[in-house]
Amino acid sequence: EAQVTQNPRYLITVTGKKLTVTCSQNMNHEYMSWYRQDPGLGLRQIYYSMNVEVTDKGDVPEGYKVSRKEKRNFPLILESPSPNQTSLYFCASSGEGKGFFGPGTRLTVL
Amino acid sequence: GQNIDQPTEMTATEGAIVQINCTYQTSGFNGLFWYQQHAGEAPTFLSYNVLDGLEEKGRFSSFLSRSKGYSYLLLKELQMKDSASYLCAVREGYGQNFVFGPGTRLSVLP
Repeated sequence: EAQVTQNPRYLITVTGKKLTVTCSQNMNHEYMSWYRQDPGLGLRQIYYSMNVEVTDKGDVPEGYKVSRKEKRNFPLILESPSPNQTSLYFCASSGEGKGFFGPGTRLTVL
Repeated sequence: GQNIDQPTEMTATEGAIVQINCTYQTSGFNGLFWYQQHAGEAPTFLSYNVLDGLEEKGRFSSFLSRSKGYSYLLLKELQMKDSASYLCAVREGYGQNFVFGPGTRLSVLP
């Protein structure tokens, strides 16, 4: 089954404690992205990757890092989370004109 | 800059037809996507237009006019399960930079 998986699905953490949200896809897609979704602001792209070792900033990259060492994985790293990064995060991959989203990670930073 | 507009909310009756409009102003247009998102869930892909015209997929159709910066999603034979938010997204340039509209919340009434 074609899918994008994310872990964890829910996370409560404290300010400054580094965390990583993993993302993996099994469709051999070259393109992967990270988004955050906030009430009233919609989906905003954080980072995207066009292939292994190729990443670029989206609209809201501040405070986030990504890496793409393998085609299937695209982890999102928050080196020093802050409360304004409390949000719902989605990983996505796309290919052949279609986009697929992961189930989402609800992050709360206290 | 980028600007994507959609109506905030729409209401329609079960069995009816509804058209959700999306207007955009963006540089380097490279495709327009429609997604459906039920509350608390991930967006799911509905359609993709890169050339002008109508793309039909069962009960859902999507139209694009690049010269007018305009797209619409047409939903026929509405069902209660179609109650959801519908997101319009524009891909910019030759990368994977996506900009999402604010979404249209559709309520289907019996």
